[in-house]
Amino acid sequence: DVKVTQSSRYLVKRTGEKVFLECVQDMDHENMFWYRQDPGLGLRLIYFSYDVKMKEKGDIPEGYSVSREKKERFSLILESASTNQTSMYLCASSSSPGRTEQYFGPGTRLTVT
Amino acid sequence: GEDVEQSLFLSVREGDSSVINCTYTDSSSTYLYWYKQEPGAGLQLLTYIFSNMDMKQDQRLTVLLNKKDKHLSLRIADTQTGDSAIYFCAETKDKIIFGKGTRLHILP
Repeated sequence: DVKVTQSSRYLVKRTGEKVFLECVQDMDHENMFWYRQDPGLGLRLIYFSYDVKMKEKGDIPEGYSVSREKKERFSLILESASTNQTSMYLCASSSSPGRTEQYFGPGTRLTVT
Repeated sequence: GEDVEQSLFLSVREGDSSVINCTYTDSSSTYLYWYKQEPGAGLQLLTYIFSNMDMKQDQRLTVLLNKKDKHLSLRIADTQTGDSAIYFCAETKDKIIFGKGTRLHILP
């Protein structure tokens, strides 16, 4: 069974803290994605990766960075968390960039106070 | 533009059919998807249709594709309380583009 896991379901951090969100997939997929989901705005792509050590900016990369040291793991980093980064963060993976379906993790709801 | 458009809300009585509509932008999109997101969870692939098809049926779900009008719909027959969720349509060619989602609310 296809599986994408995220390290935390709920996270509360303070403004200015460094935050790591981890995502792991067990499907040997090349492609991994980080989205944030906000009411009325749908899913917005933050960063994606087509291969190990490779990353590409999505639509809203400002304030975020990513790391892909191993094929199965894709980390989203908030260098200095701010309140406007309070959101639901969704990780996804796919076997090719856009032509096949994406498999999503359960999401991490991050609150920055 | 790149927007995939969906209405944000739909209310349906339990037992009735739900029809969720979507318009997409790229007539050369190869795959069109419907995802379901239950409260507090990630997105789950519900069904998909290839762009050379007009209709696909899978149990209570029927997907209709009108390529001329770039219109995609998802019909859920005999809507049940467990169908309460947000439904996202998505188109793909070189990348996947999601709509903003339609929240389906089931009335008793």
